[in-house]
Amino acid sequence: EPEVTQTPSHQVTQMGQEVILRCVPISNHLYFYWYRQILGQKVEFLVSFYNNEISEKSEIFDDQFSVERPDGSNFTLKIRSTKLEDSAMYFCASTTRAGYNEKLFFGSGTQLSVL
Amino acid sequence: AQSVAQPEDQVNVAEGNPLTVKCTYSVSGNPYLFWYVQYPNRGLQFLLKYITGDNLVKGSYGFEAEFNKSQTSFHLKKPSALVSDSALYFCAVRVSSSASKIIFGSGTRLSIRP
Repeated sequence: EPEVTQTPSHQVTQMGQEVILRCVPISNHLYFYWYRQILGQKVEFLVSFYNNEISEKSEIFDDQFSVERPDGSNFTLKIRSTKLEDSAMYFCASTTRAGYNEKLFFGSGTQLSVL
Repeated sequence: AQSVAQPEDQVNVAEGNPLTVKCTYSVSGNPYLFWYVQYPNRGLQFLLKYITGDNLVKGSYGFEAEFNKSQTSFHLKKPSALVSDSALYFCAVRVSSSASKIIFGSGTRLSIRP
């Protein structure tokens, strides 16, 4: 089965630094998502992205966050100035345009640790 | 506000016994409901979905879920649990037919003892 690929698997950064989390969605997928999960608990929606623009975003996705699909294959999440509370597992997901009811395919995640 | 709730943090079942993982939802309009499973150090994997039609939905690994509109529930079930079913299970709902956002419950850790 095709996979969503995320890099790096672990990222350690200092508070206040910028980080970029990278994702390669499945090639024929058109809807892209970022979620985060803190300490193996609740999975929180951050943002959805379609046709090179944000479709929806949560209250967590403030001005410190941005997403980009720079080259038609990668999908990135940037945090401009990281905070301690940004420490979490960040998951990328994608799905086809075939329908909103299609399942999401998730990557294995990037564990972000902010020190 | 749209929401999904999983009232149990942990469910413990003996191998071979039936299991149920509970989920209730609150959305406006028709719900689009999903179950996902997460194994250690992995992303979430799709198990099954309810969009419309039969209230009993069958999915991967022998799991099924029953949609109950009057009780606004979508409980996950399996007739005979396996030790390998031990994982973290998430119920999810798409907030409306016109939205791309899917929200997840808090998760239920299923532990199957031999």
